[in-house]
This record gives sequence, C-alpha cells and structure tokens, in this order.
Amino acid sequence: IAGITQAPTSQILAAGRRMTLRCTQDMRHNAMYWYRQDLGLGLRLIHYSNTAGTTGKGEVPDGYSVSRANTDDFPLTLASAVPSQTSVYFCASSASGSAPDTQYFGPGTRLTVL
Amino acid sequence: AQSVAQPEDQVNVAEGNPLTVKCTYSVSGNPYLFWYVQYPNRGLQFLLKYITGDNLVKGSYGFEAEFNKSQTSFHLKKPSALVSDSALYFCAVSLNTGFQKLVFGTGTRLLVSP
Repeated sequence: IAGITQAPTSQILAAGRRMTLRCTQDMRHNAMYWYRQDLGLGLRLIHYSNTAGTTGKGEVPDGYSVSRANTDDFPLTLASAVPSQTSVYFCASSASGSAPDTQYFGPGTRLTVL
Repeated sequence: AQSVAQPEDQVNVAEGNPLTVKCTYSVSGNPYLFWYVQYPNRGLQFLLKYITGDNLVKGSYGFEAEFNKSQTSFHLKKPSALVSDSALYFCAVSLNTGFQKLVFGTGTRLLVSP
C-alpha cells in the first residue's frame, strides 16, 4: 500500500544523544515535511523540502537538521537531544509543494528525551 | 501571518445528533483551508479542503465544511454523528501563493457518546 513510513515507532533517548528519525514515502511526491505535535499547540512545522536536494526551515527549526538526498527519504536529525524535544514527530508529503496540495501524513514517531 | 483558532478543546455530542467543530482563520490573502482527523496513536488523515468556488465542501466519512469569508470561518459538520467519529480534529490554513506551508489549529477532541 502506497504511503509514508516512519521509524522508529517510539524511542526513549538520553539527553545529549544524537538521534535520526527516518521517513520514507513511495508516492513519488516532490515535497516533504516534518512536524512536531505537542499537547495544546497542535502541529508545528520543523523543516520542509520542496524537491530533492533542497530544504527549508519551518516554524521551529532550532536543534533539528534535515537532508533530502533523494525523492523518497527525508530524515530528521537531532544532533544533541534535549528534554524539550520530547514530542510526537510526523512526516508528511505532498505532490508538488504548491498550494493547495494535500499533505499526507505518516504514522508518527513518539520521542521521549530524558 | 497566518493563524487558525479552534475555540473548543472538546465537543461532546450524542450519536445520531448533528455535530459541528468550529474553526476560524486569519490570513492576509485568500486562504486554502483543510480539515484533518487523528485517531489515537495514528497520523493525521485528510478529510476535506476548500480551494475556491462552492462554499460547502463535502469530504470523507460524511463530513462537510462551510467556508464563510465574511466570518473567516470554516466549520466542520456532519448531519448524524457516529461513535466511531470520536477523534481529534485539526483545522489548517495555507495561502494560495507560493510554497505551501500549513498552519494548524490546536485541535478539537470530538467525543460521540452512544
């Protein structure tokens, strides 16, 4: 079934450790996004990529980095995790990145930083 | 800057009754508006979107939403609620120009009682 996969499903991480959240889509979508979901704050955009080889900063990019080496994969890296990065992380993709494309979401990664 | 408000943290409705989940938005131009639903421990699923034209938009699972430009609202509705509709609902807005960045509301939990 076509869609977005994320790994791991959940992770507990010690503060200061490096962590990469993986995201892969098989819909050949050009645009991909990373959001974090926090209670009472909804979803906030961390980073995005409108095509392979390009990335951009969203609303809350500090402490995170991304790369887009190919169309399918869009990993999110926490270089040195802090407790405030405890959250549920969602990857999404859309066909072109231009409004009003629909964004499709992965199942999420629940990350706990202690 | 774009923003979305979902004024109700939770909406309670009895099965078979009509439901409304409220959303208001603020943008400087013409908006594209979206509704997503999130079931427990799942990613967001697309329900419907408003682009242009008819103010009443029909979507998945019997949901519809009405765009009201004068009131800057995009309320989600369903004529007859099901217990299985119980979930977290997010409204989102993007501008109709350039690269699409969705801005989400904080979410409304819908609880449908038998």
